[in-house]
Amino acid sequence: GAGVSQSPSNKVTEKGKDVELRCDPISGHTALYWYRQRLGQGLEFLIYFQGNSAPDKSGLPSDRFSAERTGESVSTLTIQRTQQEDSAVYLCASSLFSTSGGTSTDTQYFGPGTRLTVL
Amino acid sequence: AQKVTQAQTEISVVEKEDVTLDCVYETRDTTYYLFWYKQPPSGELVFLIRRNSFDEQNEISGRYSWNFQKSTSSFNFTITASQVVDSAVYFCALSGGVTGGGNKLTFGTGTQLKVEL
Repeated sequence: GAGVSQSPSNKVTEKGKDVELRCDPISGHTALYWYRQRLGQGLEFLIYFQGNSAPDKSGLPSDRFSAERTGESVSTLTIQRTQQEDSAVYLCASSLFSTSGGTSTDTQYFGPGTRLTVL
Repeated sequence: AQKVTQAQTEISVVEKEDVTLDCVYETRDTTYYLFWYKQPPSGELVFLIRRNSFDEQNEISGRYSWNFQKSTSSFNFTITASQVVDSAVYFCALSGGVTGGGNKLTFGTGTQLKVEL
């Protein structure tokens, strides 16, 4: 079946502009994650959605960052008043979250990412 | 807090050599999950393996094998008879499960593997 898709694949914007990044998870996956990968670095967690629960926003770096998800479908990550340090690849992942015996199993499958460049 | 350390920034080998990528983790959770992902030059992260903290059995999948040792908090990855197509950045990651740090992944900084002819 189709994997995680993200759009646009590349986005170039000017400092101070707002941008929206989109993620389409794998159909049926209840959990959705956003990560950021700066050049040559590992991935940093940004935000996590699980079903109808309140999202885990603990990784958002500032109040300029926000994300929404409607039900178990598409998610949008919005960055307001972009800064040059926001330049990175933004990766989305989804998983079929399940629990068994009080522990969770959760393999995240990643999309191709959106490369954001802020001039 | 959770932490993953991949001390090897870059490794270069000649094709057919064996290579081991190191991963050391820190967590206070008793239940946790460890992962390896491959990021080829195309950029998309490819899932390789997931292990839970209760299963210390080593695993082999073709030319890939993983050695999980709780006593040293390590989850090392070995590629046997490396090939040029193995050239990529490899990330080790950790999640805490329901009661711990949650399902978000904490990644290491990655190891760039270059396999040359």
